[in-house]
Formats: sequence, structure tokens, C-alpha cells
Amino acid sequence: KAGVTQTPRYLIKTRGQQVTLSCSPISGHRSVSWYQQTPGQGLQFLFEYFSETQRNKGNFPGRFSGRQFSNSRSEMNVSTLELGDSALYLCASRVAATSGYNEQFFGPGTRLTVL
Amino acid sequence: AQKITQTQPGMFVQEKEAVTLDCTYDTSDPSYGLFWYKQPSSGEMIFLIYQGSYDQQNATEGRYSLNFQKARKSANLVISASQLGDSAMYFCAMRGLMNRDDKIIFGKGTRLHILP
Repeated sequence: KAGVTQTPRYLIKTRGQQVTLSCSPISGHRSVSWYQQTPGQGLQFLFEYFSETQRNKGNFPGRFSGRQFSNSRSEMNVSTLELGDSALYLCASRVAATSGYNEQFFGPGTRLTVL
Repeated sequence: AQKITQTQPGMFVQEKEAVTLDCTYDTSDPSYGLFWYKQPSSGEMIFLIYQGSYDQQNATEGRYSLNFQKARKSANLVISASQLGDSAMYFCAMRGLMNRDDKIIFGKGTRLHILP
């Protein structure tokens, strides 16, 4: 079974631009979560989508948004990029977003550099 | 509020020795899950082991075991017979299991170096 895939793997943008990252979950997984990882702040939760609905959101400005499609693929968008948005963006999928144990599987990440 | 604390920013261990990575947590959720992930230099987060707060026995997965002490709110990862390929960042994480706000939170991580 294929793992979580993220595209692109590397991205270089300039301040003020916008960017869209894509995540394809493991087949059969309906929940997708996004995380930002930086050396200073560590791993921070951005949001989680389940059945095309955002069910949880972290403490990030409105410039960060996402969506999920009917095939469970998810996209994350960052508008008006700032230097501080440079980070590794990780996507993770799990079977369902119900309370209870179901482990998350992570993709390889997209490394975004903002110049 | 939930919190994960990993007090060891870095560790150096001789190959084939056992290593313990510390993790303490704080939560008001009566039911929660604790996770450990490994992140090699490639960046991908690899799931290692899971412990539920009501599990009676400590979790084990191959060379990985979780030393869960609920009263002390600690969930240390033990790696037996360390290998060079174990060199990586290790993250402890937690998710509350009782309510809708069950986002997973991570500690700052421990960078483990295995010496030949």
C-alpha cells in the first residue's frame, strides 16, 4: 500500500507570493492533518480535515488555509508569504477522525523556503 | 492545557547499548494516547510506538518499548541494542481521546547520535 505523498518536495518562493501544497493520504484514510515544523517552534499543528470538513484548527493566522477533496486529497494554501513561513510542512493521514486510537502516518514533507 | 516535555535536546550513545529517551506530559484528559515518532535527516516522521492511558501493559514494538508511568506522567522510550541507523530526532507526542479537540501535540524532540 502506498504511503502518504506530498508534492512538491521542495519549493522556493519570495515574500508576498502565495503557495499551494498538496497531500495524498494513504488509500482508505479519510483524515488529513497538516503540521509546520521549524527549528525554533518545533512541530505545530495547522489543521485537520475529515470528509472534506475542517474539524480542528491550530493557532495560525488566516493566511494559512486548506481544503479536502472528495477523494480525501488535501491542499494547503499560504497567501502573502512571509520569511517566517519558511519551514518543513508535513502532512499526515489516518483512517478516521473519531476519538480513539488510530495512528497517523506522515508524508515526506514539503520544504518551503521564502526569500 | 496539554503539554509534552522532552528535556534531552541531544544524546550520544555507543552502538549496541540501550538508550532511554525521556518524555513527560501534562493533560487534563482522562483518556489519552502517547506516541513516539522518529525523524531521520530525510524529514519523514516514522511512527514507532503507541501507549493508551488505560493500557495495562507497557507497549513494545521490536526493539522499542515504552516505559509508561501514569502517576508520574512519564512515557519514556527505550531502544534496546541501538544501531547506527537509530541516529535521528525522536519526538514524543500526545492526543486526548475524549473530545473533539483531539489534535496531537509534540514535544521539542531529542536528537540521538549513535556512535560506532
